[in-house]
Amino acid sequence: DIQMTQSPSSLSASVGDTVTITCRASRDISTFLNWYQQKPGKAPKVLVYAASTLQSGAPSRFSGGGSGTHFTLTISSLQPEDFATYYCQESDSMSWTFGPGTTVDTK
Amino acid sequence: QVQLQESGPGLVKPSQTLSLSCAVSGGSITSGDYYWNWIRQTPGKGLEWIGNIYKNERTYYNPSLKSRISISVDTSKNQFSLILTSVTVADTALFYCARSAMPSNSGYIFDSWGQGTLVTVSS
Repeated sequence: DIQMTQSPSSLSASVGDTVTITCRASRDISTFLNWYQQKPGKAPKVLVYAASTLQSGAPSRFSGGGSGTHFTLTISSLQPEDFATYYCQESDSMSWTFGPGTTVDTK
Repeated sequence: QVQLQESGPGLVKPSQTLSLSCAVSGGSITSGDYYWNWIRQTPGKGLEWIGNIYKNERTYYNPSLKSRISISVDTSKNQFSLILTSVTVADTALFYCARSAMPSNSGYIFDSWGQGTLVTVSS
């Protein structure tokens, strides 16, 4: 099984800040890595796939990077609607494991 | 645009069997290169992929749940279903159905989700 970790587990930021979330895989998953945003009471929504490709409709202030075991999601110029929980998810294995999530809340 | 909607009992007793269905609208469940998935979410374990079915052909299950789950398709109703046997309080969760698609050569994404249905296991 692939284990996914995320850091930090939560962070506080202000509108306009740039924030970076890190995701690590327990083994090399190349670029088989997706990022999701989840708001309270809603299902997750894909933001970035294949580590760095922005999903259609996702704002360009979201960007993903990395490969192998280390990945990042960066939100440039945080907007009010970006306060949410973010999950990484590997798509290399057939267990499609999610990370534990990073909650971005307002400072 | 495809839409998914979960249905099933909100309360199940321990040791019993949980059955959920996911109705798919806006597209046929047997067309296209899609997997149809069940995912659950709990405060303690976060998001956990349960398993999926590809058209009406192949199923893939999370190894940690494999002995207790079954996923099937009803093409006449354009829906797919989850059966989880011998439930315990640890199976209390928000259950989502979701479609996965492969937009690139770097794997599948969960691109469409239902709204989720809360299932509580309690006597």
